[in-house]
Amino acid sequence: EAQVTQNPRYLITVTGKKLTVTCSQNMNHEYMSWYRQDPGLGLRQIYYSMNVEVTDKGDVPEGYKVSRKEKRNFPLILESPSPNQTSLYFCASSGGPSNQPQHFGDGTRLSIL
Amino acid sequence: QKEVEQDPGPLSVPEGAIVSLNCTYSNSAFQYFMWYRQYSRKGPELLMYTYSSGNKEDGRFTAQVDKSSKYISLFIRDSQPSDSATYLCAMSWGANSKLTFGKGITLSVRP
Repeated sequence: EAQVTQNPRYLITVTGKKLTVTCSQNMNHEYMSWYRQDPGLGLRQIYYSMNVEVTDKGDVPEGYKVSRKEKRNFPLILESPSPNQTSLYFCASSGGPSNQPQHFGDGTRLSIL
Repeated sequence: QKEVEQDPGPLSVPEGAIVSLNCTYSNSAFQYFMWYRQYSRKGPELLMYTYSSGNKEDGRFTAQVDKSSKYISLFIRDSQPSDSATYLCAMSWGANSKLTFGKGITLSVRP
């Protein structure tokens, strides 16, 4: 089954404790992206990757890092999480260019206390 | 003016109603238009995808694009309780552009 898998699905943690949200896709997609979804603000892109070792900032990259060492994996790293990063996070991938429809994971709900 | 505006909702309709969801946009370069459906505790899933102007129909769903008015619509005929979800519009222009999303509207279909 074609899918984008995120882990963990839920996480409650404290300010400053480094965390990583993993994302893996099994569709051999080149394009991958991270979004956060907040009430009243909609989906906002954090970082994206056109291919292995190629990443770039989206609209709200501050406080986040990513890496793309393998085609299937695109982890999101919060080096020093803060409460304003409490949000619902989605990873997505696309087999075509960045402007084409994307396949989303089921989300990771992060709460930073 | 935001690039993509979507009616904020929420919207509640009786089962069997025709639902019209709309988005307006300001960037005349947009030419790829999508509608995503998002159930609670799930990620958005692609519902409809159209290029440039015109209509596209898929079962009970019709997507309509009016580029001259910078307006897109999603119509749901014979709405069902299973259609209760948040609907997001998204659009883009060139091959290296990102998707720009509307904020989404939550639809509830009452049995």
